[in-house]
Amino acid sequence: NAGVTQTPKFRILKIGQSMTLQCTQDMNHNYMYWYRQDPGMGLKLIYYSVGAGITDKGEVPNGYNVSRSTTEDFPLRLELAAPSQTSVYFCASSPEGTGVGEQYFGPGTRLTVT
Amino acid sequence: AQSVTQLGSHVSVSEGALVLLRCNYSSSVPPYLFWYVQYPNQGLQLLLKYTSAATLVKGINGFEAEFKKSETSFHLTKPSAHMSDAAEYFCAVSLAGGYQKVTFGTGTKLQVIP
Repeated sequence: NAGVTQTPKFRILKIGQSMTLQCTQDMNHNYMYWYRQDPGMGLKLIYYSVGAGITDKGEVPNGYNVSRSTTEDFPLRLELAAPSQTSVYFCASSPEGTGVGEQYFGPGTRLTVT
Repeated sequence: AQSVTQLGSHVSVSEGALVLLRCNYSSSVPPYLFWYVQYPNQGLQLLLKYTSAATLVKGINGFEAEFKKSETSFHLTKPSAHMSDAAEYFCAVSLAGGYQKVTFGTGTKLQVIP
């Protein structure tokens, strides 16, 4: 049981490049999330999904896109990378009901845009 | 609307001393409350959760937290700090029913002094 896995662990992008951060969970959770974490700022929700085919914006969606074609996968796409997107990105999943706040996190992707 | 406030971005304790990390919440309806721990270069891991059952909640690694409605608090404690407790701790709040946004605090870094 791997839980939530993310790839890559590290990435350096040049301004204007694009990339996809991969996230997979094997717990059959319907809810999945993408967060970014910046020093001293806690976690900011980028996008979330309540099931396959259903996604919605979080607090800071600009510059990102997501898709959810299966229960397991929730990739995050960065188009036209900017220095402001330098951050650590975490994917998480949770069961429904009272477990919504009980989130399982991946190990993170550290992204630098230069 | 809901929010959490963590008092103190950095807390230092001596090994063997009491650990007290403070969290106050704001919520229009009874909340669910959570504490997460993040070790360096890792994702967040659930320590404990309150979902309206017992007000004193026990978690992993000897941590516990008490829900005090009158004080709108959910402070995290551990009787005796261990070097391995050095990490960043996040308080989080969500509401019951379907998908509800989870709001994370800005985190408290715990330093344990030998």
